[in-house]
Order: sequence, then C-alpha cells, then structure tokens
Amino acid sequence: NAGVTQTPKFQVLKTGQSMTLQCAQDMNHNSMYWYRQDPGMGLRLIYYSASEGTTDKGEVPNGYNVSRLNKREFSLRLESAAPSQTSVYFCASQTVDRGSEQYFGPGTRLTVT
Amino acid sequence: KQEVTQIPAALSVPEGENLVLNCSFTDSAIYNLQWFRQDPGKGLTSLLLIQSSQREQTSGRLNASLDKSSGRSTLYIAASQPGDSATYLCAVTDSWGKLQFGAGTQVVVTP
Repeated sequence: NAGVTQTPKFQVLKTGQSMTLQCAQDMNHNSMYWYRQDPGMGLRLIYYSASEGTTDKGEVPNGYNVSRLNKREFSLRLESAAPSQTSVYFCASQTVDRGSEQYFGPGTRLTVT
Repeated sequence: KQEVTQIPAALSVPEGENLVLNCSFTDSAIYNLQWFRQDPGKGLTSLLLIQSSQREQTSGRLNASLDKSSGRSTLYIAASQPGDSATYLCAVTDSWGKLQFGAGTQVVVTP
C-alpha cells in the first residue's frame, strides 16, 4: 500500500517550458487535491477533484490545468512555466467524507529559472 | 475569507520540556481542524483531527484542544524529544470541505 505517490520528486524548468506533475493514490479515495507550498506560507489549494470526472478551482489556479484521468490519478499541468511557479507541490487524497483526513504525497520540488 | 495563524513561527526547547503550539482562525464555521507534522523535504503527516463538535483529541504524548467559539486550537506535546523536531501545521476544513492552512511553527528540541 503506497498511499499517495508523486512524480517527479525534483524538476528544473526554464521560463516558458511546460510539464505535467503526476499524482496517484491507491486508497480508493474519491477526492484529490493539488497544493503549493511557498516559504513562510502555508499550503494553498490550486485545484481539486471531488470525484472522478469533476475538477474545480482552488485559491490559486492561474497558470495551471488539471486532469482527473481516473479515480486513482490526478495530474497538474503547467503550460508555460514562470519563475513565480517555483514552489513545492503536494498532492493529497481523501475519502468522500469531507470530515476525514487528507493524506499527502511526498511532494515535487519545482524550480523555474 | 478564513485566515489561519500560527504563533510563534519558530520555537526551541530543551529535551523533556512540554511543547505548546497555538493556532487561531478567523471564521468559526469550520468542519474540523487537523494538526500535521512536516519533516524537512518531506510531505505532511496527519497527527490529530478534531471534529467541530469535539473539544479535544489525544494520541500518545499529543493532545489537541479546540475552542471553536474563540477560534483557537492548541497542540500539546508532552516530554519533548529531539525526534519531535519538525514543522507543525494546523489546517481547518471549511464548510466546502477545503483545507485552509497556517504557515506553521518550526520546532527544534535540543538534547
């Protein structure tokens, strides 16, 4: 039981390049989330998916797109990376019960030069 | 807009002392509150989850209290150990099921 996995662990991009961050969970959870964490700030929600086939914007969605490929996988895409997107990105999952815990992946450290 | 604040931002204590970490939030209409631990370069590990109807939760040396009406939660860690060194984050779940995080308290426990 791997929980929530993310790939890659580290990535360096040049301004304007694109990339997709992958997230998968094996806990049969309905809801999945993408957050970013910047120094001195808490995690901020980028996008979330309450169930397979649905996605919604969070607090900081600009510059990102997401795909809920199936119940297990939720990807985050940067179409044209900017230095302001340098951050650590975390994926999380949760059961349908919004009162339950969210389980987090190990994160992807992204640097945009 | 819900705002979550954690004070202090950093804390250093000698081994054996009790740790007291504070979290405050501006909107009392929360679904629950979670405390997380984050080690450097790692993801978040959930420590305790308190439902809005509860006053406290305990797990081993950890105890978290919740006073929803005053918008406060406190995490107590008894008899701290060097292995407790980490960043502790609190987060509230709003009525839409979304987590709002504080910036965290970085704890160092010195031997």
